[in-house]
Amino acid sequence: QQQVKQSPQSLIVQKGGIPIINCAYENTAFDYFPWYQQFPGKGPALLIAIRPDVSEKKEGRFTISFNKSAKQFSLHIMDSQPGDSATYFCAASNSGNTGKLIFGQGTTLQVKP
Amino acid sequence: GAGVSQSPSNKVTEKGKDVELRCDPISGHTALYWYRQSLGQGLEFLIYFQGNSAPDKSGLPSDRFSAERTGGSVSTLTIQRTQQEDSAVYLCASSLSRAGDNEQFFGPGTRLTVL
Repeated sequence: QQQVKQSPQSLIVQKGGIPIINCAYENTAFDYFPWYQQFPGKGPALLIAIRPDVSEKKEGRFTISFNKSAKQFSLHIMDSQPGDSATYFCAASNSGNTGKLIFGQGTTLQVKP
Repeated sequence: GAGVSQSPSNKVTEKGKDVELRCDPISGHTALYWYRQSLGQGLEFLIYFQGNSAPDKSGLPSDRFSAERTGGSVSTLTIQRTQQEDSAVYLCASSLSRAGDNEQFFGPGTRLTVL
């Protein structure tokens, strides 16, 4: 029940494409859903986060879509650029608990020029 | 410092040896987390410290793993009698309090290799 399942494992798109990464969770106590971006040799960095009281959040070229009834959320990257090539992790936490993050397995994105 | 720092950046050790990994959180952040990232895997929660409260050790994989946080700041993760399966990147994160709306800031990690 603590798992967050993420797909696909890897993704290749052309510059300007719109990669979509999907995550699903089971624990209905989760109330905070961040996405992290990680470059090789670096720690993860927060990209964008959403709470379940909204169905969509947009920050720049990054959009989270959230479906509370299906317990699914996804990341869309508009007008993707080669610099977006990185590993993306979805996560979930229960802010009423310790706030520890439960991470998905990660998606390696390659954006070809 | 401006961000979370960790040391060493790389550690190679022999099976059976003890290792200590250090984390310096962002000044003023009361919450501190340790995670482990195995090759090709997601991040796995290990332990959480919040102020002077008892830590949440629920993610520690075995009693060979322990951690402490001195003075509410620096934290040390200790792995005793290291095994090859302990090889991973150990990441530390800190946040203002606990992550609900509070972002967790990650350090660059310590890459541990157990030969």
